[in-house]
Amino acid sequence: GDSVTQMEGPVTLSEEAFLTINCTYTATGYPSLFWYVQYPGEGLQLLLKATKADDKGSNKGFEATYRKETTSFHLEKGSVQVSDSAVYFCALSRPNFGNEKLTFGTGTRLTIIP
Amino acid sequence: DAGITQSPRYKITETGRQVTLMCHQTWSHSYMFWYRQDLGHGLRLIYYSAAADITDKGEVPDGYVVSRSKTENFPLTLESATRSQTSVYFCASGQFSEAFFGQGTRLTVV
Repeated sequence: GDSVTQMEGPVTLSEEAFLTINCTYTATGYPSLFWYVQYPGEGLQLLLKATKADDKGSNKGFEATYRKETTSFHLEKGSVQVSDSAVYFCALSRPNFGNEKLTFGTGTRLTIIP
Repeated sequence: DAGITQSPRYKITETGRQVTLMCHQTWSHSYMFWYRQDLGHGLRLIYYSAAADITDKGEVPDGYVVSRSKTENFPLTLESATRSQTSVYFCASGQFSEAFFGQGTRLTVV
């Protein structure tokens, strides 16, 4: 079945550091890929998405590129801020199979130190 | 207000009791989902619904029941609560592969 594997946390960085959170997936066909973010005490929010190979999703300075050859969708940001502290989830769905349910990774907790 | 709301936000119940978590969305999204969030497991899908009167099991459906008589509501019932069902439960609605999540219900079974 479908699965998502993301790097274990927690990850602690200093403000303005470069961020990478790794995500790889297993799925048949061509899934859509997502990064969701969860701030303390809140539900998940969509951060960015990519629906086909080589697409780059971007939002709020975060980027991720859909790499079919490596089945990866790593999240990057060039200069993190304290406000980026949150839990980040990689996820996939297969809408081309008529099913929009999301399969999530286990999440990576990110803490940014001033 | 537009959005997705869950109630209650916090609930403590005893083992063996029935408890229902409510979820309401105002967007008329066709899909709705229930996930549970546990440390070390991320989010796991309990049940989902593609439309009113259409529901299907997710990854961890045992011990849960859902219904969807109206597009906007998707209640989740624990028929006989167990301590292993202590968790944070998230409802979501969505379409075109984008899901919108409620703020969650923290359920403690004692």
